[in-house]
Amino acid sequence: QVQLQESGPGLVKPSQTLSLTCSVSGDSVGSAYHYWSWIRQHPGKGLEWIGYIYYDGSTYYNPSLKSRATISGDTSKNQFSLKLRSATVADTAIYYCARASHDYFEYWGQGTPVTVSS
Amino acid sequence: SSEVTQDPAVSVALGQTVRITCQGDSLRRIYASWYQQKPGQAPVLVIYGQNNRPSGIPDRFSGSSSGNTASLTITGAQAEDEADYYCDSRDDSGNHVVFGGGTKLTVL
Repeated sequence: QVQLQESGPGLVKPSQTLSLTCSVSGDSVGSAYHYWSWIRQHPGKGLEWIGYIYYDGSTYYNPSLKSRATISGDTSKNQFSLKLRSATVADTAIYYCARASHDYFEYWGQGTPVTVSS
Repeated sequence: SSEVTQDPAVSVALGQTVRITCQGDSLRRIYASWYQQKPGQAPVLVIYGQNNRPSGIPDRFSGSSSGNTASLTITGAQAEDEADYYCDSRDDSGNHVVFGGGTKLTVL
């Protein structure tokens, strides 16, 4: 059974970098044909796709976040990470990591809340 | 356009059938996936592809598509089906994901 677990600071100051890690068990972040993804949900709002890293290391981002987001993978630790630069209060959300196969997100982490505040 | 739109809220009487829809031009060429999210929980995939259910999803959940509209149908809605439902799609490049705004389902 594939399991994902987000971790990282729950509080980030404005203008700093929001950094989160997703630890994966039951699969390898280097396994073929899977997209390792970050998705967020603002309080009381819908889902917003941030981006993903493909098994071959290629990355794809939501155009609205592309200039600030970086997703990277670490096969030695079986983790992948999100860095969102120049955080603002608008980045306050629950952040989910997920594994996608083809056109659907089949496994999700439980989510981790992040607040951007001074 | 790669946007997909959903009705904000739908209600259904217990035991009746309800259809939740997702509209967008991209749905003419790819299938939507559907996710159920209950308060305080992560989303759960309920339908993917033409009409596929992951293991553990009751067979009262089904999916269909016609033109630019994808539909999630719950046949015989149960109280535990009350949740938010999201569809997703891909933009023209196929590399960027777009979520619908979500539909809040109330089971009366």
